Amino acid sequence: EAQVTQNPRYLITVTGKKLTVTCSQNMNHEYMSWYRQDPGLGLRQIYYSMNVEVTDKGDVPEGYKVSRKEKRNFPLILESPSPNQTSLYFCASRLGNTIYFGEGSWLTVV
Amino acid sequence: GEDVEQSLFLSVREGDSSVINCTYTDSSSTYLYWYKQEPGAGLQLLTYIFSNMDMKQDQRLTVLLNKKDKHLSLRIADTQTGDSAIYFCAEIDSWGKLQFGAGTQVVVTP
Repeated sequence: EAQVTQNPRYLITVTGKKLTVTCSQNMNHEYMSWYRQDPGLGLRQIYYSMNVEVTDKGDVPEGYKVSRKEKRNFPLILESPSPNQTSLYFCASRLGNTIYFGEGSWLTVV
Repeated sequence: GEDVEQSLFLSVREGDSSVINCTYTDSSSTYLYWYKQEPGAGLQLLTYIFSNMDMKQDQRLTVLLNKKDKHLSLRIADTQTGDSAIYFCAEIDSWGKLQFGAGTQVVVTP
């Protein structure tokens, strides 16, 4: 079954404690991206990757890092989380016009 | 960046038709999408339309695209309580980036 898997799905953490949200896809897609969803703002792209070892900033990259060492994985790293990064995060992979989203990761930074 | 705009709220009576509107600015958009998000859930792709089409119908859903005005709409016939959700319009722009609107909260009343 084609899927995008994110972990963790729910996390409450403290300011400054590094965390990583993993994302894995089983469809051999080259394009992957991360979004955050906030009320009244829709989904905004954080980072995207066109292929292995190729990453680029989206609209709201500040405070985030990503890596793409292999095609299936695209982790989102928060080196020093702050409360304004409390949000719902979605990972996605794409082939042509077909886009697959993960189920979302609810992150709360206190 | 390019903008996708939607009204934030729509209230509709059960059994009536709902029309959710969206405008976008990137004239080179290739595909336009409608996603549905129920409370606490992820994103469900409802339908999409290629930019050279004017209309697409899928059961209770009708998508209309006016390329000249860069206007996209989603009509839901015979709206049911299960249609209460946030609906996102999105486009793939000329860079292959998926741009979302802020979402329209649809509330279906008995």
